[in-house]
Amino acid sequence: GQQLNQSPQSMFIQEGEDVSMNCTSSSIFNTWLWYKQDPGEGPVLLIALYKAGELTSNGRLTAQFGITRKDSFLNISASIPSDVGIYFCAGQLARASGGSYIPTFGRGTSLIVHP
Amino acid sequence: EPEVTQTPSHQVTQMGQEVILRCVPISNHLYFYWYRQILGQKVEFLVSFYNNEISEKSEIFDDQFSVERPDGSNFTLKIRSTKLEDSAMYFCASTKTVSGELFFGEGSRLTVL
Repeated sequence: GQQLNQSPQSMFIQEGEDVSMNCTSSSIFNTWLWYKQDPGEGPVLLIALYKAGELTSNGRLTAQFGITRKDSFLNISASIPSDVGIYFCAGQLARASGGSYIPTFGRGTSLIVHP
Repeated sequence: EPEVTQTPSHQVTQMGQEVILRCVPISNHLYFYWYRQILGQKVEFLVSFYNNEISEKSEIFDDQFSVERPDGSNFTLKIRSTKLEDSAMYFCASTKTVSGELFFGEGSRLTVL
């Protein structure tokens, strides 16, 4: 199956700083998804990207679908303490591409924000 | 807001015992999934279920695992004879369409001793 490389593995930042994390894959995806997982809870979808080159924002979050369809990044601006959690990227193929539509998850980026 | 609910939130069991994890997907969703997350690792796909049958499964989902939708609301994951390495957080998810957004439950933590 597809493998996703997500980096960095963890980040320790001060409140107010901007954050950037990314995912790369050896194969292409039709959809990139970014999820956040709070401690003891399930992942929650933050942003979905459906088109190569697409740049999408959701409040202080901005994500982009790489032109090559093999990468995506997520930026968080002006971080706040509640941004703490684990951020997962996930890639998804469309059925028409002949691959599984089941999202493949990266290993996650653990974010800690110091007040 | 509709949500996926899972029970139990935490289960401790002895190796070799059978475990059933329960999920109630969002009511108008048609596609159901189980994922697992070993502590500190990524979320791994186990199985997807649609129209009362498994539509896709991963290598992890061996003969020890089974899924069932016994009635119109519940979706269960059974592990027949648990192993130590089955200790993980198990997440149920559902979607309205085959490629729609996955809505995850809060997870069931399984600890096998």
